[in-house]
Amino acid sequence: GAVVSQHPSRVICKSGTSVKIECRSLDFQATTMFWYRQFPKQSLMLMATSNEGSKATYEQGVEKDKFLINHASLTLSTLTVTSAHPEDSSFYICSARAASGKLNEQFFGPGTRLTVL
Amino acid sequence: EDQVTQSPEALRLQEGESSSLNCSYTVSGLRGLFWYRQDPGKGPEFLFTLYSAGEEKEKERLKATLTKKESFLHITAPKPEDSATYLCAVETGANSKLTFGKGITLSVRP
Repeated sequence: GAVVSQHPSRVICKSGTSVKIECRSLDFQATTMFWYRQFPKQSLMLMATSNEGSKATYEQGVEKDKFLINHASLTLSTLTVTSAHPEDSSFYICSARAASGKLNEQFFGPGTRLTVL
Repeated sequence: EDQVTQSPEALRLQEGESSSLNCSYTVSGLRGLFWYRQDPGKGPEFLFTLYSAGEEKEKERLKATLTKKESFLHITAPKPEDSATYLCAVETGANSKLTFGKGITLSVRP
């Protein structure tokens, strides 16, 4: 149980294009989903917290107009990187917290490697 | 500001050579401390959650302990398949925000 999937696992795009990453909780309902970014040999940095049906809360320094987050249902959240540039190349990881059970358990997706040329 | 520091950055062990990974933290209002394992190119895999000083949890060759200032992940008789990056994270605040350390890269030689 507690499986989180991400799609795509890897994406390469040209500078200036937009990329959408999906995060799904496969066998549980997630009231809250989190989006992280991880640069090589660095830790996971929280970008935003997304609650179903409401606007995402962004961490300081993260541009909300560049990283659009939609949490339309209890099993799906999407992150859209708009007008991507090479400096946006990174490993993007989502996590989901179950609507029931232990409130502070987060289950992570496998990550999406974004490369912007 | 919440801070999590993991040491050492990298650790190389011989198979069977037990050791400990350290995670020290400075936070206001700890709700929980998490240990994750991350393999290259993959998302973190949950290992343990510790909630209060003195708590210990075990899983196979791994044992996690918690004090008021730090946590240790003890690895007993490690095997090559234990090679990975081990991440420590603390949860604070009402929104369950996790603050991660930089991780410890463990390599176990056969």
